[in-house]
Amino acid sequence: SQQGEEDPQALSIQEGENATMNCSYKTSINNLQWYRQNSGRGLVHLILIRSNEREKHSGRLRVTLDTSKKSSSLLITASRAADTASYFCATVPGGGSNYKLTFGKGTLLTVNP
Amino acid sequence: DADVTQTPRNRITKTGKRIMLECSQTKGHDRMYWYRQDPGLGLRLIYYSFDVKDINKGEISDGYSVSRQAQAKFSLSLESAIPNQTALYFCATSDSQGLAKNIQYFGAGTRLSVL
Repeated sequence: SQQGEEDPQALSIQEGENATMNCSYKTSINNLQWYRQNSGRGLVHLILIRSNEREKHSGRLRVTLDTSKKSSSLLITASRAADTASYFCATVPGGGSNYKLTFGKGTLLTVNP
Repeated sequence: DADVTQTPRNRITKTGKRIMLECSQTKGHDRMYWYRQDPGLGLRLIYYSFDVKDINKGEISDGYSVSRQAQAKFSLSLESAIPNQTALYFCATSDSQGLAKNIQYFGAGTRLSVL
């Protein structure tokens, strides 16, 4: 069963705008990750945030984590056409078995030139 | 060259045929994984292996089997393919130490169609 659920399912914006995607999950986590998938290709890891962190930055990416609400958001600033892709959150459960990623269904982001 | 290589990239087969998807990696990682992705869904874990002698079932292992021939090679077999196994299949690897063991590196995928 899916642990993470992304929202919205699809998002269309203009180049230069910011894009925000949200992820909700159900059980306690060790960490949460975001991955990007270009059409028909493999997933690429973007950023990892640990359960004791609230915010993390990487270039134009900003991730927040609210463990009390069991939610995370991914913000892409100043979007580019090349950012067009599906974005997935993935959670690693708390406890000893912190090996298995559980993926959400993804948000399809389209950035129009 | 890609760190995680999947072959073939595309495959069309018929119901009842046996098919093997192969994955090799040059990252030196101990852990390897097989996922399938269906349209509009996230990835679902089929099998995973922490080392050559450690293989485990994932969320949806029925109808699939795997073989870990070496640290660098992990193959997925469909013993008797059926149409609902039509999907995009991904192999992934991860390190086994520290926080890095949580980050997975994916191959480009194998698109499988079962007619």
